[in-house]
Amino acid sequence: DTAVSQTPKYLVTQMGNDKSIKCEQNLGHDTMYWYKQDSKKFLKIMFSYNNKELIINETVPNRFSPKSPDKAHLNLHINSLELGDSAVYFCASRSNTYEQYFGPGTRLTVT
Amino acid sequence: DQQVKQNSPSLSVQEGRISILNCDYTNSMFDYFLWYKKYPAEGPTFLISISSIKDKNEDGRFTVFLNKSAKHLSLHIVPSQPGDSAVYFCAASDSGNTPLVFGKGTRLSVIA
Repeated sequence: DTAVSQTPKYLVTQMGNDKSIKCEQNLGHDTMYWYKQDSKKFLKIMFSYNNKELIINETVPNRFSPKSPDKAHLNLHINSLELGDSAVYFCASRSNTYEQYFGPGTRLTVT
Repeated sequence: DQQVKQNSPSLSVQEGRISILNCDYTNSMFDYFLWYKKYPAEGPTFLISISSIKDKNEDGRFTVFLNKSAKHLSLHIVPSQPGDSAVYFCAASDSGNTPLVFGKGTRLSVIA
């Protein structure tokens, strides 16, 4: 029974396209995040949502737009994809005891 | 500007011996620290955590030590098992409810 799920797991697309990554958690957590793991393997926060509201937006281009239709879902939409957007994107949710639980990741390749 | 540093990119240990993974941080506001384990093509999995009010937390084969004055923490795995082979990430947070700041990870290889 998957706690944090993401779809798709792999995404290959061309520059200039628009794509979305979906995330769902069945843990009942109020807070969800998107992280990006770049080619240097750093995991960096992109967005934080609490109860469907945007809490944190790090210095991410506005081509990236998160959307939270309900507190169990946090989707990431990316417009006008660029080569530098190629990375692994992880969704996570946070418990009341502060541990964060991660999804399996979505490997995005922009060609 | 790396606020969380894992200076050893890799570590090899024989099965049954102790694995020690180290992590340093620079932000004195960090008060909650976590270790995650990551297998290829999977998301990071929470392993163990420690808050700044403690200097040690133990869970089975895993123990995390925190030295606040040195801004250093370490993860001890004993005895190490081949299934422990993975990348281990250290992460830190300010008050636990802010996003985690991750180190770059240390790849542990446990050799049978």
